[in-house]
Amino acid sequence: ETGVTQTPRHLVMGMTNKKSLKCEQHLGHNAMYWYKQSAKKPLELMFVYNFKEQTENNSVPSRFSPECPNSSHLFLHLHTLQPEDSALYLCASSRPGQSYEQYFGPGTRLTVT
Amino acid sequence: AQSVSQHNHHVILSEAASLELGCNYSYGGTVNLFWYVQYPGQHLQLLLKYFSGDPLVKGIKGFEAEFIKSKFSFNLRKPSVQWSDTAEYFCAVTHGSGNTGKLIFGQGTTLQVKP
Repeated sequence: ETGVTQTPRHLVMGMTNKKSLKCEQHLGHNAMYWYKQSAKKPLELMFVYNFKEQTENNSVPSRFSPECPNSSHLFLHLHTLQPEDSALYLCASSRPGQSYEQYFGPGTRLTVT
Repeated sequence: AQSVSQHNHHVILSEAASLELGCNYSYGGTVNLFWYVQYPGQHLQLLLKYFSGDPLVKGIKGFEAEFIKSKFSFNLRKPSVQWSDTAEYFCAVTHGSGNTGKLIFGQGTTLQVKP
């Protein structure tokens, strides 16, 4: 248990659906991250939030929409996804000023049909 | 662009064999280096880290890594692997400071240890 939880753990959605991924951290961190993990590829950083403000958008398509209502919660809203978006989506958090030591959640396994 | 390269994609070893996983990075400035591990069905977790000081870093479960600046490398080692070390291993590097630093990951190495 790392103190970072993600729900749901598995999600299957059609290309016309709208769904959301949720991440919650119980570590008192102020930075939160979304990553995409595809088979045989490096983890891809998608978004970074520091103190609820988005500080990084790594050229992510607009069909992925993040939301950070407070420092403990992070959402990833999904709409009109493509099959190639199927992957494991990981959330992470870190302490202020220590963005390099990140604590990861278990991930959401997303399948787009 | 900065990158991290892990040379071994899939390694198969017998128990008690020695392990070395290669990691090279491309950034020339000051870096912080990490190895993360992902056991089957579990979350990604930090194995060890290097910030400064002694280039030989010891982590959990008997793992160690050596930072060789001249070679831009941070190889992971373990003298004698166990079946429970079966997992995926990711090397990562970051530069920059504070809240702006980004972790750049390698593509990962799958380690399979045969009992």
